Amino acid sequence: SQTIHQWPATLVQPVGSPLSLECTVEGTSNPNLYWYRQAAGRGLQLLFYSVGIGQISSEVPQNLSASRPQDRQFILSSKKLLLSDSGFYLCAWIVGGLSYNEQFFGPGTRLTVL
Amino acid sequence: AQSVTQLDSHVSVSEGTPVLLRCNYSSSYSPSLFWYVQHPNKGLQLLLKYTSAATLVKGINGFEAEFKKSETSFHLTKPSAHMSDAAEYFCVVSDTGGFKTIFGAGTRLFVKA
Repeated sequence: SQTIHQWPATLVQPVGSPLSLECTVEGTSNPNLYWYRQAAGRGLQLLFYSVGIGQISSEVPQNLSASRPQDRQFILSSKKLLLSDSGFYLCAWIVGGLSYNEQFFGPGTRLTVL
Repeated sequence: AQSVTQLDSHVSVSEGTPVLLRCNYSSSYSPSLFWYVQHPNKGLQLLLKYTSAATLVKGINGFEAEFKKSETSFHLTKPSAHMSDAAEYFCVVSDTGGFKTIFGAGTRLFVKA
């Protein structure tokens, strides 16, 4: 069966520090991968999506970046965190890039920037 | 460009009464539409999805939604609310390629005893 992992589960970082969040998927191949941010009291904002290794599409211009070094690995990074980067970060995948397939979400990472 | 609007940020109902969570969408293509639920401290779970088959879609836990193209709506309903339905609900639109998915801002459902 397919599973999706995210780590760390929680993270507290000072303003200006770097960030690296990792997402890995097991039990599937060639998934579409997504990074979302859920801020307090707000919906899910699509940050990045990837349809393959090295292919990244950015939805929101900001100080975050994403990379996909392997088929089932998706990394969210920042060189310098801002206070506004605080939130709940969710990784998700869809198998095969078919629009009618549901998304499967990871457990999320709660990031607090102080 | 696609967009999705959930018309109510909060909905409060009494247990046993009907639930209506409203969603309007905008899409240049034939969209796929989804409703997801997020319970406190839990992940997101798919309730139901519309993929251009039947316009009335039945999901888990007694929920259903009707796709109305003329009204560009995909409202979520349930005949009788249960306490366990209290959660946040998200309406989602996806383009035909499945690459981009747009989430609504969410509707928090409160169920009173």
